[in-house]
Amino acid sequence: SAVISQKPSRDICQRGTSLTIQCQVDSQVTMMFWYRQQPGQSLTLIATANQGSEATYESGFVIDKFPISRPNLTFSTLTVSNMSPEDSSIYLCSVVTSGGETQYFGPGTRLLVL
Amino acid sequence: QQQVKQSPQSLIVQKGGISIINCAYENTAFDYFPWYQQFPGKGPALLIAIRPDVSEKKEGRFTISFNKSAKQFSLHIMDSQPGDSATYFCAAGGGGNKLTFGTGTQLKVEL
Repeated sequence: SAVISQKPSRDICQRGTSLTIQCQVDSQVTMMFWYRQQPGQSLTLIATANQGSEATYESGFVIDKFPISRPNLTFSTLTVSNMSPEDSSIYLCSVVTSGGETQYFGPGTRLLVL
Repeated sequence: QQQVKQSPQSLIVQKGGISIINCAYENTAFDYFPWYQQFPGKGPALLIAIRPDVSEKKEGRFTISFNKSAKQFSLHIMDSQPGDSATYFCAAGGGGNKLTFGTGTQLKVEL
């Protein structure tokens, strides 16, 4: 398994600003993903965070809005840029450990944009 | 189509009863089908998962039934307990460990 922490756990931000969310894992992992979960809704994959290279974005998500970094095998950041109230969501980091197939999720970052 | 359809949206079961949640998928390339449990304020946690080479998998009170020809799978929670009250998501995965999630089912187990 993997223990995942996210910072911040929650935040209230003003529209037009940006927030960077950190995801830290207690062991090296092969895959890291970022999801969005809007209130009462399902999880939507934003992108796959690739170590040392540009993230792979899903349809409907772009790098200018959601820049992602993954400098090593245990850490990644997601930035929500130029925020609007529609960005109010829970943002979740997930990982897959080496040789495994299970996706483990972090506790999430609850973002409210005013 | 990458959709995974999940039903019901919400479910109320009496303590000791059986909770059944159903999912259907379209993409035949999916080969991994996990179920996640999410409590309020927490991230989803893996409950049980199945691959298409078996029709059923049981872990404790939780059972997945899988029908490959119908492209359907379901979660059965036996002897449901109030502590099982949570939101349940089915998911389907193909290559690259990416998952497509169902819309979720809010389960409430009443005393």
